[in-house]
Amino acid sequence: KAGVTQTPRYLIKTRGQQVTLSCSPISGHRSVSWYQQTPGQGLQFLFEYFSETQRNKGNFPGRFSGRQFSNSRSEMNVSTLELGDSALYLCASSLAPITGLNTEAFFGQGTRLTVV
Amino acid sequence: QQPVQSPQAVILREGEDAVINCSSSKALYSVHWYRQKHGEAPVFLMILLKGGEQKGHDKISASFNEKKQQSSLYLTASQLSYSGTYFCGTERTGGGADGLTFGKGTHLIIQP
Repeated sequence: KAGVTQTPRYLIKTRGQQVTLSCSPISGHRSVSWYQQTPGQGLQFLFEYFSETQRNKGNFPGRFSGRQFSNSRSEMNVSTLELGDSALYLCASSLAPITGLNTEAFFGQGTRLTVV
Repeated sequence: QQPVQSPQAVILREGEDAVINCSSSKALYSVHWYRQKHGEAPVFLMILLKGGEQKGHDKISASFNEKKQQSSLYLTASQLSYSGTYFCGTERTGGGADGLTFGKGTHLIIQP
C-alpha cells in the first residue's frame, strides 16, 4: 500500500511570506503528526491531529498552524516566514494517536523548506 | 524538555555491539525509538511503555527503566545496514498534550 506522501518535496520562500505544506497519510490512518527537523535541534514535535481535531501541540509560535480534513489529509501552514524556519518538515501517520497508545508511526520523506 | 541521548556519535566495526542511551528529567510514560538513514524518512524500531519492559527485534533490543527515566537501545553484532541516526522520542507521564519529544539523535557509523 502507498506510504505517507508529502508535497511539495522542496520549497523556497522569501522572508515574510506564508507557506502551506501537505501530508497524505497511509490509507486508514487517522492520526497525522508534524515535526520540524534541523541539524541543531533534531526532530521537534509541532502538533498532532486525530480525526480532524488537534490533539496536542509542541512549543512553537502561533505562526505555525495546521488542520486535518475528513479524509485524514493534513496541511501545515507557516505564516510570516523567518530565516530560522528553514528546515525539513516531516509528517507521520498512524492508526491511533501517537501518544498514549502503543502505536507505530510511519514518516513521509519530508518537505525541505528554505527561507531566503 | 528534550531527552538527552548519548553518545552523540559512535563508529564501530561490523560485528561489534553498540548501546545508545536516552535520559529524561521528567517521569516518562513511553519511549519510542526510530532510525533515520541519510536522506530518508525516520523508520520505527519499537515503543516501550512504563513498567520497565524490554523489547527485542532481531538483534536490536531496548530497555526502559521508568524509575531512572532512562531507556537504552542495544544493537548486537552490528551490521552495515544499522548505520544511521537513532532518535528516541519520549512521552512524559500525564503529558500527552505535549506530544512526543525527541532527542537530538545518535549518529551510528558501521564500518566493514
